[in-house]
Amino acid sequence: DTAVSQTPKYLVTQMGNDKSIKCEQNLGHDTMYWYKQDSKKFLKIMFSYNNKELIINETVPNRFSPKSPDKAHLNLHINSLELGDSAVYFCASSLYAGREETQYFGPGTRLLVL
Amino acid sequence: AQSVTQLDSQVPVFEEAPVELRCNYSSSVSVYLFWYVQYPNQGLQLLLKYLSGSTLVKGINGFEAEFNKSQTSFHLRKPSVHISDTAEYFCAVSDGTGGFKTIFGAGTRLFVKA
Repeated sequence: DTAVSQTPKYLVTQMGNDKSIKCEQNLGHDTMYWYKQDSKKFLKIMFSYNNKELIINETVPNRFSPKSPDKAHLNLHINSLELGDSAVYFCASSLYAGREETQYFGPGTRLLVL
Repeated sequence: AQSVTQLDSQVPVFEEAPVELRCNYSSSVSVYLFWYVQYPNQGLQLLLKYLSGSTLVKGINGFEAEFNKSQTSFHLRKPSVHISDTAEYFCAVSDGTGGFKTIFGAGTRLFVKA
């Protein structure tokens, strides 16, 4: 059973396109996150939702819009893709939004913008 | 503000040798500290975490880390590494000053050679 799953695993697209990445967790967790990992492996938080409420909203271009239809799902929509958006995007979840909580990561979505 | 510095970007080591991956953090308040591992083409998974109590924390796969408040360090150690330990290792800190955020270090690539 996959705890945190992401689709698609790979995404290759042209500049200017709009794309979405989906994330689902079956752990019964309340909190979900989106991270961006660049080519140097640096991992940066983008957004976090707790029970469908946005609790972390980092300085991210407004072309990125998260959406949480329920607490088991967190999607990421990206408008007008740019070359610099190429990265690996990780979804994660934790039992609740506590700073001591372990985060469980998905396998990542590798986005390449051409 | 909280921050994490991983002092080595790459650590090559021979199989069955001991290894130490260094991590220093910056925070003016009490912290929670984590080590995560990322195997190739996978998401991150927790190795161990320090919340309170004993400063020596044991994790999975034979890893342990020691919290040193005076030196603001949380170094990761393993007495004898295996080829399968080859991965990227991330130190992370959460102290509440960033809300619910966990801040990750830049990662250390452990490469175990036969």
